[in-house]
Amino acid sequence: KQEVTQIPAALSVPEGENLVLNCSFTDSAIYNLQWFRQDPGKGLTSLLLIQSSQREQTSGRLNASLDKSSGRSTLYIAASQPGDSATYLCAVAYGVGNQFYFGTGTSLTVIP
Amino acid sequence: EAGVTQSPTHLIKTRGQQVTLRCSPISGHTSVYWYQQALGLGLQFLLWYDEGEERNRGNFPPRFSGRQFPNYSSELNVNALELEDSALYLCASSLEVGEDTQYFGPGTRLTVL
Repeated sequence: KQEVTQIPAALSVPEGENLVLNCSFTDSAIYNLQWFRQDPGKGLTSLLLIQSSQREQTSGRLNASLDKSSGRSTLYIAASQPGDSATYLCAVAYGVGNQFYFGTGTSLTVIP
Repeated sequence: EAGVTQSPTHLIKTRGQQVTLRCSPISGHTSVYWYQQALGLGLQFLLWYDEGEERNRGNFPPRFSGRQFPNYSSELNVNALELEDSALYLCASSLEVGEDTQYFGPGTRLTVL
């Protein structure tokens, strides 16, 4: 059974700090991994997609890394802003077109 | 370009009733995925449709069913509603099988009393 775990479950940081969110998965034979953001009561917004052959992806202040051998991914957020406050979800796919297996998320609060 | 749309946004039903949720994918997208996000639980995969066919199904009872229409829109049907069916139901679409990025709609909040 594929399991995806995210630590910590909640995180509160002052504005301007750099931070790291963690995601681990039990089956390392992944096809790709995606990080999403979810605002309260809303749908998901895709942040970064990492293919299994890649080690990292960057978009603006966000950087996601992937280490398949250890079953881990991290999402690095630089210079955090209050607008970054949301729940961040990690999702793993194990085949072409397959559904994502989601972690339970990290709830981030950035304090002004 | 319009994103994934879902209707209704909110729904209240009682135990034993039936409900139909609707999803319109991004124009040109042929794959539609349904997920359930119950309170305190992570997102759980429900169903995947592509080109009108059910391609994969998550670990949910048969009272959860759906279909995809020729215009690629989709319906999710839940029969004999139970209290634990209360959740946010999210629909996602992707361009085609093999297109990895899934684009999510805003969801339908279902409350079962």
